[in-house]
Order: sequence, then C-alpha cells, then structure tokens
Amino acid sequence: GENVEQHPSTLSVQEGDSAVIKCTYSDSASNYFPWYKQELGKRPQLIIDIRSNVGEKKDQRIAVTLNKTAKHFSLHITETQPEDSAVYFCAASNTGNQFYFGTGTSLTVIP
Amino acid sequence: KAGVTQTPRYLIKTRGQQVTLSCSPISGHRSVSWYQQTPGQGLQFLFEYFSETQRNKGNFPGRFSGRQFSNSRSEMNVSTLELGDSALYLCASSLWGYEQYFGPGTRLTVT
Repeated sequence: GENVEQHPSTLSVQEGDSAVIKCTYSDSASNYFPWYKQELGKRPQLIIDIRSNVGEKKDQRIAVTLNKTAKHFSLHITETQPEDSAVYFCAASNTGNQFYFGTGTSLTVIP
Repeated sequence: KAGVTQTPRYLIKTRGQQVTLSCSPISGHRSVSWYQQTPGQGLQFLFEYFSETQRNKGNFPGRFSGRQFSNSRSEMNVSTLELGDSALYLCASSLWGYEQYFGPGTRLTVT
C-alpha cells in the first residue's frame, strides 16, 4: 500500500517568516494530495489540496507544490501568523476514498 | 449547512466490552470514512462507506466494523475492546470522494 512520510515533525518559525513542510509518497498511482490543519482539541480542517495534473496551487498565504517524478509534495505558508500554529497533516490517495496520512508537523509561530 | 457530527464525544469502556460510535455526515454527502487518531500512529484509515456499501478497508482487525444507513449516517463498532483501542475516532464525509470534512471525533478510553 501507500506510504506517506512527512518532515519535519516539529517546526518553529518567527512571525512573518515562511514555513515549509514536505511529504513524500510511494505509490505512483496516487493522484490527490490534501493538507489538513488541526488545532489543539479541534477537528482536522482541509486547507488546500492538489491533484496530480497540477504542479502548484495557491490560496492567499498558503501554496502546495507537487513533483510527480520525485513523488513529493510540499506545503508553503508565507507571512506566518500566531494563528497558523497547529499540527499540519499531508495525505495521499489514488481513489479519492482511501487516504494515507503523514504523521504530522507541529508548527509553532513565535510572535 | 451543518457540519459533520459525532456522538458520543467521550466514552469510557472496560477491556472486553464493545462500543458503537455514530457519525452524521454533511447533508447531501454520501461518503463516510472512519479514522483512528493516536499520538504515536497519527491518522489511520479504518474504512469508507458510500451508499451503504463498504468501498475500502484499512489494515485493522475484524473487531472493527462499520455500516452505513440509507440516510448516509454511519456507525462504527469495536468488539472485545483492548487497551490499545484507546484513541480519538474521527469520521469524515464527502460528496462522493476526495474533499473530506471531519467531525469533532469521539474520544474513547479503554480501562
């Protein structure tokens, strides 16, 4: 089955700096890559996703890039704010109904 | 639209007992997935139902089972509970796949 690895497991940045989280996947058939943000005690929330026919997608301060050849995708958060502090999960799917998640990155934005 | 709801929110059970968790998806969503979230293992896929049929199943023992009703509400059952089953159980709904929206989860503690 699919194996998704996520790095780093923890990340601290100064407010206003950028944060980058990277994930690799093993199954070349995977074609959908969502990112979720989970604040402490809250449910995971979908923040951005990308499909395999697209190399990059942006939504305001967040962007996701996908390199199908290398089988990795990354989340980029620019101009970080304290409210960006949370655990971020990447995931991969080849069917849209079975997902494999990374182990999460705990992001802390220092004011 | 109302979000995904899960009941109960918290549950304490004893080893050997069984438990049933419930998930009500967003109105109109026909796909419901279940996940187990633990600090050590992250988010692990249990199974996914679409129109009352199980489409996918993760790598969990047969003690974990589920079903979906004609109104898309889903239940998950765990029989013969073990200490290691203590976790946050999340369900997520989507229209037919891909973009998933999570519920708040049921925190199960097995003593």
